[in-house]
Amino acid sequence: KQEVTQIPAALSVPEGENLVLNCSFTDSAIYNLQWLRQDPGKGLTSLLLIQSSQREQTSGRLNASLDKSSGRSTLYIAASQPGDSATYLCAVSYGGATNKLIFGTGTLLAVQP
Amino acid sequence: NAGVMQNPRHLVRRRGQEARLRCSPMKGHSHVYWYRQLPEEGLKFMVYLQKENIIDESGMPKERFSAEFPKEGPSILRIQQVVRGDSAAYFCASSPQEANTGELFFGEGSRLTVL
Repeated sequence: KQEVTQIPAALSVPEGENLVLNCSFTDSAIYNLQWLRQDPGKGLTSLLLIQSSQREQTSGRLNASLDKSSGRSTLYIAASQPGDSATYLCAVSYGGATNKLIFGTGTLLAVQP
Repeated sequence: NAGVMQNPRHLVRRRGQEARLRCSPMKGHSHVYWYRQLPEEGLKFMVYLQKENIIDESGMPKERFSAEFPKEGPSILRIQQVVRGDSAAYFCASSPQEANTGELFFGEGSRLTVL
């Protein structure tokens, strides 16, 4: 069964800290992996998309890495800010005709000012 | 360029009523996905549609749920005879027709509450 797990489920850090969110997936034959952000009552915003042939992607203070063989990805957030507070979701796709996403349950991040 | 538009944002229904959720994909996108997020659970795939075609409905409950994406107009997710367990956030996502990198663009969701 294809499953995605995220740890920790929740994380609280003081402003300015660097932090790492973890994602693992049971079937390593992924097509791509996305990190998304969900704010309360809002939609989902795609942060970084890593294709299966890539090892990492960077956008501003965010860096996502992918180790396909071990079934793991990490999202690194540098110099965290209160505005980073949100739920971070990891989702994998296995391609095919549908290319649907399988989501983890997310990490709820709170950055304390 | 407007993003994915969903309406209504919030919908309250009594048990046994019908719920209709609409999704207008981003301009130029002809692929639509519906996902459901139950309370305290992750998002789960429901259905994937292209214009006038249901491509994959493997995540749809077998009864009471249906989806369409007509040639003209938004995609509609229809839930008949709603029950309390249908209370959830329903998210629509779209992707472009060509160069499908796999990235999806999500709407802000429709939150259904069944009393």
